[in-house]
Amino acid sequence: NAGVTQTPKFRILKIGQSMTLQCTQDMNHNYMYWYRQDPGMGLKLIYYSVGAGITDKGEVPNGYNVSRSTTEDFPLRLELAAPSQTSVYFCASSPTGQTYGYTFGSGTRLTVV
Amino acid sequence: QKEVEQDPGPLSVPEGAIVSLNCTYSNSAFQYFMWYRQYSRKGPELLMYTYSSGNKEDGRFTAQVDKSSKYISLFIRDSQPSDSATYLCAMSETGGSYIPTFGRGTSLIVHP
Repeated sequence: NAGVTQTPKFRILKIGQSMTLQCTQDMNHNYMYWYRQDPGMGLKLIYYSVGAGITDKGEVPNGYNVSRSTTEDFPLRLELAAPSQTSVYFCASSPTGQTYGYTFGSGTRLTVV
Repeated sequence: QKEVEQDPGPLSVPEGAIVSLNCTYSNSAFQYFMWYRQYSRKGPELLMYTYSSGNKEDGRFTAQVDKSSKYISLFIRDSQPSDSATYLCAMSETGGSYIPTFGRGTSLIVHP
């Protein structure tokens, strides 16, 4: 049982480039989330999804896009990368919306130069 | 004022000490209170959660909620070097999307 798998683990992007951060869960969880974590700043919600085909914005959605075509996958797309998007990105999932059920991935460390 | 306040530390204690980690909050609608532990370069993992007020104990860990003071605590007894990590508090309202608000995290170092 792999849980929540994120790829890649590390990435360096140049300003203006685009990339997709992959997230897959094998727990059949309906709810999935993308967070970013900046040093000393806690976790900020970017986007979340309550099921396939349904997504909604979180606290900091600008510069990002998501899609949810299957229960298992919730990719995060960065268009026109900017230095402000340098961060560690975490994907999480939960069986219901209850926050005590979150399972986090191990993160993607992204640097934009 | 931020919705959830948490001192980032670092908090350095000797092995065997009792550790107290705390968060304050301003939103009186918060009902679910959680503590996550995050080791360096890893994702957070849920340590404990409580609903509404009161205490909850799990082994060496005790979570405490004081809603009247809008203050939550995590106590770690007989702390071990393996407890060295960042501890994030999180809290959410009932109903709606349950999206939690996270604290900044407190870095804990337990030295032998």
